Amino acid sequence: AQTVTQSQPEMSVQEAETVTLSCTYDTSESDYYLFWYKQPPSRQMILVIRQEAYKQQNATENRFSVNFQKAAKSFSLKISDSQLGDAAMYFCAYRRNGNKLVFGAGTILRVKS
Amino acid sequence: SAVISQKPSRDICQRGTSLTIQCQVDSQVTMMFWYRQQPGQSLTLIATANQGSEATYESGFVIDKFPISRPNLTFSTLTVSNMSPEDSSIYLCSVVSWMADNEQFFGPGTRLTVL
Repeated sequence: AQTVTQSQPEMSVQEAETVTLSCTYDTSESDYYLFWYKQPPSRQMILVIRQEAYKQQNATENRFSVNFQKAAKSFSLKISDSQLGDAAMYFCAYRRNGNKLVFGAGTILRVKS
Repeated sequence: SAVISQKPSRDICQRGTSLTIQCQVDSQVTMMFWYRQQPGQSLTLIATANQGSEATYESGFVIDKFPISRPNLTFSTLTVSNMSPEDSSIYLCSVVSWMADNEQFFGPGTRLTVL
């Protein structure tokens, strides 16, 4: 069974600084997707970034980028120039093509002004 | 992207009663799911809602407790039956849209409190 591990229950970052959230996963598949979702206090799940396993290039979305290490089964999220609005719970998730999402336990990100 | 609405957004219910949560999507989607998020926890998949047939339940979830319907490609309901305080959670509808490059979207959730 696929599992997703987020080893950081909580992280803090100073406004305008950079923070990296860690995620590792376990799978025997070669074709899959990885995601980072953000859940602010409003509880709405917001897709931050997506990575296809077959792509070697790391995905980037504005201030958000990932470090995807397929052999190590690692998928970390880097947030640059952190803003107060980035404060939220962040979930790493795995999905095999067409199948369900499996979520990690989540990391609470606090942004200090 | 797919826009998802859920009704109700929140409810407080008495033990032993049932609540039906509705999920409406603004476009046809390939897959619909129901997730549960217990307080302070991650999301756990309850079931995949299949159009016109019985839902596919994950381990630990049964149809008698969480009956699901999906009469068409844009609508689904989840019923939480014979509720107990342990059912207090956020319930989220989620869809995969082939029109949005197979992205997965989430509804705003229904916050359920059982007294």
